[in-house]
Amino acid sequence: ILNVEQSPQSLHVQEGDSTNFTCSFPSSNFYALHWYRWETAKSPEALFVMTLNGDEKKKGRISATLNTKEGYSYLYIKGSQPEDSATYLCAPRSNDYKLSFGAGTTVTVRA
Amino acid sequence: DAGVTQSPTHLIKTRGQQVTLRCSPKSGHDTVSWYQQALGQGPQFIFQYYEEEERQRGNFPDRFSGHQFPNYSSELNVNALLLGDSALYLCASSAKGKQGGTSDTQYFGPGTRLTVL
Repeated sequence: ILNVEQSPQSLHVQEGDSTNFTCSFPSSNFYALHWYRWETAKSPEALFVMTLNGDEKKKGRISATLNTKEGYSYLYIKGSQPEDSATYLCAPRSNDYKLSFGAGTTVTVRA
Repeated sequence: DAGVTQSPTHLIKTRGQQVTLRCSPKSGHDTVSWYQQALGQGPQFIFQYYEEEERQRGNFPDRFSGHQFPNYSSELNVNALLLGDSALYLCASSAKGKQGGTSDTQYFGPGTRLTVL
């Protein structure tokens, strides 16, 4: 199980503003990085799976980048909306089937 | 298309008791993973089942055991419950059972909230 750090732990964003946060993980034995969005009272929802250094993925107003050499990923939310309020979890996977989750970044978008 | 389902939704047990949680994977998925999420932490991997066998295991004691049935559904059993076992238990299913899958996205159920008194 990998040591995964996500920062900040929580953040508040004004509606319409953009924001970003970080996931750090060990760069050795890297296989893939998963990002999930978890809204209150719902199941975690898969956002992205990234495998290659320099990967960029985009889904609507949410995008993510990956740096496997230094062991970090950024997730960006452009023009935040109230429906973006959720906890965002990252989970790197090494050369096995175990996902190691960070504690998440909880985003609250204020209208 | 039904997603991952889990039962029960909530459960209250006392110390020393045993509990069984159930999971039905998403249609077409053959692999089931179980996670424990304690308050303030991310989900912690317990184990994964494929072809009715435990394929990988996290750092959990033997009190945690599981089973996968021929229809790919799965159970998580916890014996001799401790107060510290109180948590949300998540089940996730994925489609690629064979090693080497690069995009084995896991789809999560809503979880079972276990409270041990």
